[in-house]
Amino acid sequence: RKEVEQDPGPFNVPEGATVAFNCTYSNSASQSFFWYRQDCRKEPKLLMSVYSSGNEDGRFTAQLNRASQYISLLIRDSKLSDSATYLCAVNNNAGNMLTFGGGTRLMVKP
Amino acid sequence: DTEVTQTPKHLVMGMTNKKSLKCEQHMGHRAMYWYKQKAKKPPELMFVYSYEKLSINESVPSRFSPECPNSSLLNLHLHALQPEDSALYLCASSQDPASNQPQHFGDGTRLSIL
Repeated sequence: RKEVEQDPGPFNVPEGATVAFNCTYSNSASQSFFWYRQDCRKEPKLLMSVYSSGNEDGRFTAQLNRASQYISLLIRDSKLSDSATYLCAVNNNAGNMLTFGGGTRLMVKP
Repeated sequence: DTEVTQTPKHLVMGMTNKKSLKCEQHMGHRAMYWYKQKAKKPPELMFVYSYEKLSINESVPSRFSPECPNSSLLNLHLHALQPEDSALYLCASSQDPASNQPQHFGDGTRLSIL
């Protein structure tokens, strides 16, 4: 089993749709969690840190479920510019090592 | 715009060449990282520097040699690379290696080995 797993997609959604991604992790000792966005041939850009209480930033909401060992990202009112690959990343707290999931590709269509 | 700067943006080299990748950040971050990313795959950690000391080497072949001259700079020296080493090399930094602060990435060096 991979340490961090994501559905690779692609998720094809119309503009204005709500879409949700999940990411599961295997190390129960993991301490911190992040969502990154990566456009084609670009670097990963931090989208959100994920906190135990959940957090929201505009159209984006991230949740952490420690009992079931997954994090989620919800995007409301999808825009064309949201089309990208979304990577979850888990920090196992051993020297701040990030392990990435394989990424979920989102394509928002007009 | 990224606050982690990497040069060069693109590099093509032969298997016998020696070259270096450079990374710079001026955010006062004390942890810096090298990652390798192949097409359609996630970034894979290579090295971690904490307070300018190498703290993690993820079993990277010796043809990759990292160097941290000071707290703002991180280099990756390349020698006798193989075609399978062609990839995007990403540098990242974070505030403190002991904390759970997020890592911020540079825009990478796209490396092609002939």
